[in-house]
Amino acid sequence: DAGVIQSPRHEVTEMGQEVTLRCKPISGHDYLFWYRQTMMRGLELLIYFNNNVPIDDSGMPEDRFSAKMPNASFSTLKIQPSEPRDSAVYFCASKRGRAWGNQPQHFGDGTRLSIL
Amino acid sequence: AQTVTQSQPEMSVQEAETVTLSCTYDTSESDYYLFWYKQPPSRQMILVIRQEAYKQQNATENRFSVNFQKAAKSFSLKISDSQLGDAAMYFCAYCTGTASKLTFGTGTRLQVTL
Repeated sequence: DAGVIQSPRHEVTEMGQEVTLRCKPISGHDYLFWYRQTMMRGLELLIYFNNNVPIDDSGMPEDRFSAKMPNASFSTLKIQPSEPRDSAVYFCASKRGRAWGNQPQHFGDGTRLSIL
Repeated sequence: AQTVTQSQPEMSVQEAETVTLSCTYDTSESDYYLFWYKQPPSRQMILVIRQEAYKQQNATENRFSVNFQKAAKSFSLKISDSQLGDAAMYFCAYCTGTASKLTFGTGTRLQVTL
């Protein structure tokens, strides 16, 4: 089975530009998570969805960030306008079901975002 | 709020030796799960091992095992017979049984030397 697929793998853009990160979760997984990883703050949960519905967006840093999940196989994280402090690695993860017993989160390979 | 603390920013171990990475957490919940994730230079986040709080027996996965001390809220990872491929960042993570989101520690960078 294919894992969580993120694109692009690397993104370099100038401050003020719109950035869109994409994620395809594992088929059959009903939870999708967006994380941000920086040296200063480590891994932070930004937002997560259940059955395409945003459940908790308390980690979204500010209004410049938005996330959508139009269907079960696709999600986007958008930053508009981007700022240098948004530079980080952004991970998408998915899991099946709410119970943790035998259903861990599966992570994509991340998108390294650099805002100049 | 739940917190996860990894007090060792960096550790080093010689090949074939054993190393233990520390993790403590703070929670008032009784139903929760603990995880260790490995992040090699390739940036992937790989689940190494998980522990259910209700299980007294420590989890083991091949060369990886945990020492789960529930009363002390401690969850350390032991890597036996260390290999060069074990070099990576290791993250401890926590979630409650009813929540869906993970809380991560700040990570420990493990170096494996010849």
